[in-house]
Amino acid sequence: GESVGLHLPTLSVQEGDNSIINCAYSNSASDYFIWYKQESGKGPQFIIDIRSNMDKRQGQRVTVLLNKTVKHLSLQIAATQPGDSAVYFCAENIFPGAQKLVFGQGTRLTINP
Amino acid sequence: KAGVTQTPRYLIKTRGQQVTLSCSPISGHRSVSWYQQTPGQGLQFLFEYFSETQRNKGNFPGRFSGRQFSNSRSEMNVSTLELGDSALYLCASSKAGSNEQFFGPGTRLTVL
Repeated sequence: GESVGLHLPTLSVQEGDNSIINCAYSNSASDYFIWYKQESGKGPQFIIDIRSNMDKRQGQRVTVLLNKTVKHLSLQIAATQPGDSAVYFCAENIFPGAQKLVFGQGTRLTINP
Repeated sequence: KAGVTQTPRYLIKTRGQQVTLSCSPISGHRSVSWYQQTPGQGLQFLFEYFSETQRNKGNFPGRFSGRQFSNSRSEMNVSTLELGDSALYLCASSKAGSNEQFFGPGTRLTVL
């Protein structure tokens, strides 16, 4: 069945370092992928997305890489800040045109001062 | 522009009761999706409504239902509550033709 998973459930990095959060997906037909950030007590917040016809997309301090060959997605956060501490979810839109996201289990990112 | 709002934010019910949660999407957004978030299962898709019609449905029992009104506001209902229904219920809205979903803060439901 469809599933989106994360390789690491927790990640600790030093403030100012770069962090990489990885995600594997299983549905080769998925055409759209999203990274969300969820802080305690809040709903998921959109970070960055990428369509399946792209390999890389950059935002402000964040970059998403998509490797369709191995069905792998990663989120790179540059120069991490304390405010980056949160749980990060990758999500996969498994039905093109529909609003049905399959989420990974999440990775908790902790920024150490 | 106001974000997605959900009411109530917190709710405590007992087993066997039913509950109704409400979601107001961002103005102009016609699609509303509902998700259940638990520590064990993570975020799971419940259903999606567009123009008052259920367009997609996840793998949840029939006790979980929803509806959407003409103003795009949506409600979800859970009947005959079970302990395992305790969760954060999240609503997300999106514009027609867009995949980007904007989430509300969620309703924390506790079933005792």
